[in-house]
Amino acid sequence: KQEVTQIPAALSVPEGENLVLNCSFTDSAIYNLQWFRQDPGKGLTSLLLIQSSQREQTSGRLNASLDKSSGRSTLYIAASQPGDSATYLCAVRKTGGFKTIFGAGTRLFVKA
Amino acid sequence: NAGVTQTPKFQVLKTGQSMTLQCAQDMNHNSMYWYRQDPGMGLRLIYYSASEGTTDKGEVPNGYNVSRLNKREFSLRLESAAPSQTSVYFCASSETGDGYTFGSGTRLTVV
Repeated sequence: KQEVTQIPAALSVPEGENLVLNCSFTDSAIYNLQWFRQDPGKGLTSLLLIQSSQREQTSGRLNASLDKSSGRSTLYIAASQPGDSATYLCAVRKTGGFKTIFGAGTRLFVKA
Repeated sequence: NAGVTQTPKFQVLKTGQSMTLQCAQDMNHNSMYWYRQDPGMGLRLIYYSASEGTTDKGEVPNGYNVSRLNKREFSLRLESAAPSQTSVYFCASSETGDGYTFGSGTRLTVV
């Protein structure tokens, strides 16, 4: 059974700092991995999607990497801003199916 | 650019009442999903529809039913609401090879 873990559960950093959020999964037979952002009381906004054949994806100040063999993905945020404060979730879709398993998320707070 | 639209946004039910949560997408996606989100537990899949005319159970289907009305619409029904169904419900859609697009959620309280 696929399990997705995100560490840390919460993180507080000063503005301008570079940071890394971690996501680990137990079954390497994945179809893709997606990172989302969720603001309080809101829905999920897709940030980056990495297909199983890819190693990383970049969008602006965000870079996500994928290492299937070790069951890990990282989301790197450069030069963090207070507007980056939100909960970040990773989601792993299994090969050959339609089910996606979500991590519980990392709550990020960027202090001005 | 509507994407995925959910209604209602908020609802309070009494134990035993029934209701239907509506979801519609305008991206011509084949697959649609219903998730619930509870504090500290992440999102859990209730039901999904891989394509029009098919539905399947997810992790936590008990107490729920779904209908894939057409390619655009996927509804979630609570026949007899229970306090344990107090949660935030999200509908999502996707196309093969692509990621998910989520609606803004329905916050349901059962008293």
